[in-house]
Amino acid sequence: DAGITQSPRHKVTETGTPVTLRCHQTENHRYMYWYRQDPGHGLRLIHYSYGVKDTDKGEVSDGYSVSRSKTEDFLLTLESATSSQTSVYFCAISESDTSGNTIYFGEGSWLTVV
Amino acid sequence: GDSVTQMEGPVTLSEEAFLTINCTYTATGYPSLFWYVQYPGEGLQLLLKATKADDKGSNKGFEATYRKETTSFHLEKGSVQVSDSAVYFCALRTQGAQKLVFGQGTRLTINP
Repeated sequence: DAGITQSPRHKVTETGTPVTLRCHQTENHRYMYWYRQDPGHGLRLIHYSYGVKDTDKGEVSDGYSVSRSKTEDFLLTLESATSSQTSVYFCAISESDTSGNTIYFGEGSWLTVV
Repeated sequence: GDSVTQMEGPVTLSEEAFLTINCTYTATGYPSLFWYVQYPGEGLQLLLKATKADDKGSNKGFEATYRKETTSFHLEKGSVQVSDSAVYFCALRTQGAQKLVFGQGTRLTINP
């Protein structure tokens, strides 16, 4: 198993509050990603990072921000949580952006916004 | 844009049956192709992959062959087990791409 740890694994929060999800990797991979998984939409990329302090938007980035101050940590912040952000969030890592390079996924963080 | 189309589920089979889950893709260039499996309450695990045409990926009795002429990467297993019950995702990644493009997933249930 790839060395990816997500925290918290489960969280219930109220609408309007900020939430931060953490991803920690022990593989020293350069690329890190945040995806969300929703019924009917599959997995969609939120943000990704290609190095310390280097991040970019994915296809569903509105309402989310990220930070990467160390190679091993990638934080996803919901600035003001909404019910539409209730989802399962997956962190992923990859050694390079070569097409054949595998992207490995964490165990997921279940977030419920009430 | 790039896309992956998977056989719609759910799929229900009896133990020891033959499994095929169809996957076709549209992509510019020459993508690498992946099958991931997701067990209940868990993340996605790589099942197998193929990086060029005619490559066959295999793992745990599952196989898939990268067919460029039919733009397909169908997943097969000769004799399924109850423990194979999961959701299966076909995905592609093109050179320099920052994301995987996923199919919608196929839920497989194997009955004893």
